[in-house]
Amino acid sequence: QKEVEQNSGPLSVPEGAIASLNCTYSDRVSQSFFWYRQYSGKSPELIMSIYSNGDKEDGRFTAQLNKASQYVSLLIRDSQPSDSATYLCAVKTSGTYKYIFGTGTRLKVLA
Amino acid sequence: DADVTQTPRNRITKTGKRIMLECSQTKGHDRMYWYRQDPGLGLRLIYYSFDVKDINKGEISDGYSVSRQAQAKFSLSLESAIPNQTALYFCATSNPSGGEGEQFFGPGTRLTVL
Repeated sequence: QKEVEQNSGPLSVPEGAIASLNCTYSDRVSQSFFWYRQYSGKSPELIMSIYSNGDKEDGRFTAQLNKASQYVSLLIRDSQPSDSATYLCAVKTSGTYKYIFGTGTRLKVLA
Repeated sequence: DADVTQTPRNRITKTGKRIMLECSQTKGHDRMYWYRQDPGLGLRLIYYSFDVKDINKGEISDGYSVSRQAQAKFSLSLESAIPNQTALYFCATSNPSGGEGEQFFGPGTRLTVL
């Protein structure tokens, strides 16, 4: 079982719709969770971090964390073609050096 | 603007050559990392350093070495490059005392080994 799993996609949504990206993780003691956006050939760019159960909103982005079910999700409201990218989920256990990355979900927003 | 920079951005080299990738940061972060990214395999950690005197191997360190010349500089060397080291290489930094340890990535180096 992979430590951090994401559906590779592509996930296609129409412009203006809500895109929902999901990530599950296997280590129950994971404490910090991150979403990165990566355009093709570019570096990962941090979008959101979340540490507590529940929702965290930042502009059009909402991260949701459920530690009991070991999943974290990212919602993108009013999706734009410029949101088309690969979204990486990363997980870190407090007190360690290790960030575990998923392989990413490719999102396509159709104009 | 506090940033992470990498040089070179692109490099083509031949099998057996020694090459060095450099990373510099102005974020003032103590922790620095080197990753490689291959299609379908995600980001894999090569080496990490918590300060100038603390350097550690990651999950795929064979064939690589690093040097932490200063808090702001962390270099990755390929002692004798081989074709399966063709990949995108990223440097990253984090600050454990600020926030919960978000990582920030440099722009990457695209390395091709012929």
